Amino acid sequence: GAGVSQSPSNKVTEKGKDVELRCDPISGHTALYWYRQRLGQGLEFLIYFQGNSAPDKSGLPSDRFSAERTGESVSTLTIQRTQQEDSAVYLCASSTNQGYNEQFFGPGTRLTVL
Amino acid sequence: GEDVEQSLFLSVREGDSSVINCTYTDSSSTYLYWYKQEPGAGLQLLTYIFSNMDMKQDQRLTVLLNKKDKHLSLRIADTQTGDSAIYFCAELKDFGNEKLTFGTGTRLTIIP
Repeated sequence: GAGVSQSPSNKVTEKGKDVELRCDPISGHTALYWYRQRLGQGLEFLIYFQGNSAPDKSGLPSDRFSAERTGESVSTLTIQRTQQEDSAVYLCASSTNQGYNEQFFGPGTRLTVL
Repeated sequence: GEDVEQSLFLSVREGDSSVINCTYTDSSSTYLYWYKQEPGAGLQLLTYIFSNMDMKQDQRLTVLLNKKDKHLSLRIADTQTGDSAIYFCAELKDFGNEKLTFGTGTRLTIIP
């Protein structure tokens, strides 16, 4: 079946511009996560959505970052006034939030801020 | 500490065993995971262990968990070229808030 998909796969933008990254989770997965992976580093948690509960935004690095999710479907991560330090791969994952709660990852969006 | 720690690099000869180590942060973490990231591909769950276990074996993979020392290891027997990847350990600290805390990853290189 279809896995987690993300778009675009690559995004190059100029410093100061806004960007929107999209994630389509696996159908039926109630939980959705955004992580950031800087070059040569591990994954850094950004935000977590679970059903209709208030999202856990504790990982968002600044108020330039925001994310939305419509019900249990698509999510968008928005970065306003991008900075060079925002350059990274942004990974989305979804899960059923049951049992050992395997998170299924998308291929990521590679963001480059010039 | 606050960070999940892993060595950055490991080189192993083909056919030997690979052991990748991880020190995690929270002794009350419920699940510990190993994810594999191959070049150009997303992360995939390789295996996991529940905190009430100290060992789990799955074909060529053996996971050892030492809760007292907050130490997790992954042993890959008979390492093959296809095992070349970056391996991330991750902990689920808070059952009910399902975000994972990841280590920095260990890049495993296979020497022919």
